[in-house]
Amino acid sequence: NAGVTQTPKFQVLKTGQSMTLQCAQDMNHEYMSWYRQDPGMGLRLIHYSVGAGITDQGEVPNGYNVSRSTTEDFPLRLLSAAPSQTSVYFCASSYGPSFEQFFGPGTRLTVL
Amino acid sequence: TQLLEQSPQFLSIQEGENLTVYCNSSSVFSSLQWYRQEPGEGPVLLVTVVTGGEVKKLKRLTFQFGDARKDSSLHITAAQPGDTGLYLCAGVLFGANNLFFGTGTRLTVIP
Repeated sequence: NAGVTQTPKFQVLKTGQSMTLQCAQDMNHEYMSWYRQDPGMGLRLIHYSVGAGITDQGEVPNGYNVSRSTTEDFPLRLLSAAPSQTSVYFCASSYGPSFEQFFGPGTRLTVL
Repeated sequence: TQLLEQSPQFLSIQEGENLTVYCNSSSVFSSLQWYRQEPGEGPVLLVTVVTGGEVKKLKRLTFQFGDARKDSSLHITAAQPGDTGLYLCAGVLFGANNLFFGTGTRLTVIP
């Protein structure tokens, strides 16, 4: 099992550009989520999904879109990148929010 | 203001010392988890507590869930350099479908 994979590992964008962060898991988990991590603020939930076709907003959803067409994949789209979106992004999967979250290795994004 | 506040934010201690990290909220949680994160990696689960007043031990680490289910603590006995990392608490509110993380405590254990 590869667990949770994320691509790319590093990315630099210019303000206004769009991009998609990829996340995939091979553990047949129904629950997947995206977090951003900023210094002194722990992890903040952006969007989450309880199964294919179902997504919902977390604490900081503005500027991000998600979709869940398959159980395995949960991409995160930045519509028009802003410097405030400079952060480390983590994708996680689990059997549910109360169960162990398995995290990917993260994507470090810089927006200039 | 975040739902879960951790204290202290930073902690630097000598090898062999004891320490306690706190995770506090004004909200009530159905369950609470503790994770440890090392540089360049994602968090890894240490423990889940689900009952108010519950105490769980993992070798030198002791986790407690408050009676009112609003807070938790992590106590490390005789800290070792391998304990160095970012410690994060995370909780699920009753009836909610998502997990909130705390602000984190960065621990450094000096040999």
